[in-house]
Amino acid sequence: GAVVSQHPSRVICKSGTSVKIECRSLDFQATTMFWYRQFPKQSLMLMATSNEGSKATYEQGVEKDKFLINHASLTLSTLTVTSAHPEDSSFYICSARDIGGQGLSNYGYTFGSGTRLTVV
Amino acid sequence: QKEVEQDPGPLSVPEGAIVSLNCTYSNSAFQYFMWYRQYSRKGPELLMYTYSSGNKEDGRFTAQVDKSSKYISLFIRDSQPSDSATYLCAFSYSGAGSYQLTFGKGTKLSVIP
Repeated sequence: GAVVSQHPSRVICKSGTSVKIECRSLDFQATTMFWYRQFPKQSLMLMATSNEGSKATYEQGVEKDKFLINHASLTLSTLTVTSAHPEDSSFYICSARDIGGQGLSNYGYTFGSGTRLTVV
Repeated sequence: QKEVEQDPGPLSVPEGAIVSLNCTYSNSAFQYFMWYRQYSRKGPELLMYTYSSGNKEDGRFTAQVDKSSKYISLFIRDSQPSDSATYLCAFSYSGAGSYQLTFGKGTKLSVIP
């Protein structure tokens, strides 16, 4: 089945620094990937849609200059949290869909394992 | 009215019990209905996907959709401790191309041995 790898799984950084999170589709190509943020006991909130070879589309209220998204290839999208602050601490998850896949992996999105960001 | 309502629980049941998880939605444009399972500190995993009213069964899991009532359910038979996780309902307007998902808040389930 489709596999999405997300790295790192956990990161602690100092306030004011930048953190890069990688999302890779391991066995399929993904022209579109999605980035979500999830606070404790809350639902997944879509932050942005990452499109290979073009600019990302951000949801209302998400600062594009703070959350930089790059989708440079069909298997890799990166999210960079710039000038991180404690309020950016959250669980970030990416997802992609294997359109050419079989079964559920074709219909639904496969998610990465998530990245727990803690800004101190 | 929120677009998706899901009781966050927590829900605690004994092993072997039948579990019923539910979501209501207000957007009649939703055409595709999904259930994801999320273990602690992990990304969600797709369990069930359906696009029509009625029941869909996969092993111990049954997804039920009632479009007229805007209500979906997930039933788990013979629940196991390994089913302990947070279950999220998800909705989309389309199943083609790349589409956006709208999630419920998730229901935390604990199955006690």
